[in-house]
Amino acid sequence: DTAVSQTPKYLVTQMGNDKSIKCEQNLGHDTMYWYKQDSKKFLKIMFSYNNKELIINETVPNRFSPKSPDKAHLNLHINSLELGDSAVYFCASSRTYNSPLHFGNGTRLTVT
Amino acid sequence: AQTVTQSQPEMSVQEAETVTLSCTYDTSENNYYLFWYKQPPSRQMILVIRQEAYKQQNATENRFSVNFQKAAKSFSLKISDSQLGDTAMYFCAFMAFSYSGAGSYQLTFGKGTKLSVIP
Repeated sequence: DTAVSQTPKYLVTQMGNDKSIKCEQNLGHDTMYWYKQDSKKFLKIMFSYNNKELIINETVPNRFSPKSPDKAHLNLHINSLELGDSAVYFCASSRTYNSPLHFGNGTRLTVT
Repeated sequence: AQTVTQSQPEMSVQEAETVTLSCTYDTSENNYYLFWYKQPPSRQMILVIRQEAYKQQNATENRFSVNFQKAAKSFSLKISDSQLGDTAMYFCAFMAFSYSGAGSYQLTFGKGTKLSVIP
């Protein structure tokens, strides 16, 4: 069984569109994250939720809005997509604040 | 702010040989955690090894071991008996408490080292 699953795996869309990436973890973890990996492979945290509460909100455009309906899910909604949003987005979870992260397989977003 | 530096963008090693990937970090914290993650071409992020800063003993996980030098703020990864499946990007990561927002432990990644194992 996949521990952290995110869908879709690939997402190709045009500028200006709105899209969502879903993430679910079946590990019973309290904390979930969204990371962005750019074309140079650099990973940077975007958001972190603990028990549905936002605890980390890095400098990310307001067009990005995370939603956590329950502690097993953390979805990422992106409005008015721009070319620079093209990247791989990783969802992750951890048992507690200072536990190792378990990553999903990533969603490659391509904005044309 | 915490920073993580991996000074080797790319490395290669012959199969069955040993290779060491370097990582340094900068922090004023005393309590933190260090990790090495592996990202093979499949894109999946896989935890390789973890080290708690308060532990003096270097972590070991089968063929993977670290050389943790706290005073020097150095955390290198040694891969013994390299295998073709070890070909991947390797990311060093640092986790410490962040006082921004509601406060939480935050994981910061280095820029990665691309390791190629040559048959």
